[in-house]
Amino acid sequence: GAVVSQHPSWVICKSGTSVKIECRSLDFQATTMFWYRQFPKQSLMLMATSNEGSKATYEQGVEKDKFLINHASLTLSTLTVTSAHPEDSSFYICSARWASGTYEQYFGPGTRLTVT
Amino acid sequence: AQSVTQPDIHITVSEGASLELRCNYSYGATPYLFWYVQSPGQGLQLLLKYFSGDTLVQGIKGFEAEFKRSQSSFNLRKPSVHWSDAAEYFCAVGAPSSGSARQLTFGSGTQLTVLP
Repeated sequence: GAVVSQHPSWVICKSGTSVKIECRSLDFQATTMFWYRQFPKQSLMLMATSNEGSKATYEQGVEKDKFLINHASLTLSTLTVTSAHPEDSSFYICSARWASGTYEQYFGPGTRLTVT
Repeated sequence: AQSVTQPDIHITVSEGASLELRCNYSYGATPYLFWYVQSPGQGLQLLLKYFSGDTLVQGIKGFEAEFKRSQSSFNLRKPSVHWSDAAEYFCAVGAPSSGSARQLTFGSGTQLTVLP
């Protein structure tokens, strides 16, 4: 149980275009989803927290207009990287939490984004 | 704010040898503690967690961790390492003071190499 999927697993896009990454909780309803960014050989950096039906809360330094997060249902959250640039190339990981009273997060397999 | 320190960036052990990965946290009270493992190009898998009670917790894949309040530590151990254990290991802390968001703070990770 508690499976989280991400799609696509990897994507290459051209500079200036936008790309959407989906995060789905397959066997539970996720009250909260988190989006992380991970640079090579580094830890996870929290980008934003999203609750179903409300606006995402972005961490300091994360451009909300560049990284659009939508949490339209209890099983789906999307991250759209708008006007992508090579410096946006990274590994993006989402996680989901089934209840607001818990800290336990279940992680997706990640999406490798390369911007050329 | 809470913080997590994993002092060892990289550890190398021989297959069959014992393993201990260190994790120290900074927080005024007892936090929620987690160990996750990440294989290359993958998301994070929960190995074990500590919330309260018995300070020695058992996890999956033969791992265990011990919470030591006096040392503010939550070290991960395994008596006999297998080649498949080679991966990146992250310690994470959830602090009750983080409010309703209940976010996790991750350590910088320890890369484990297993020699045949």
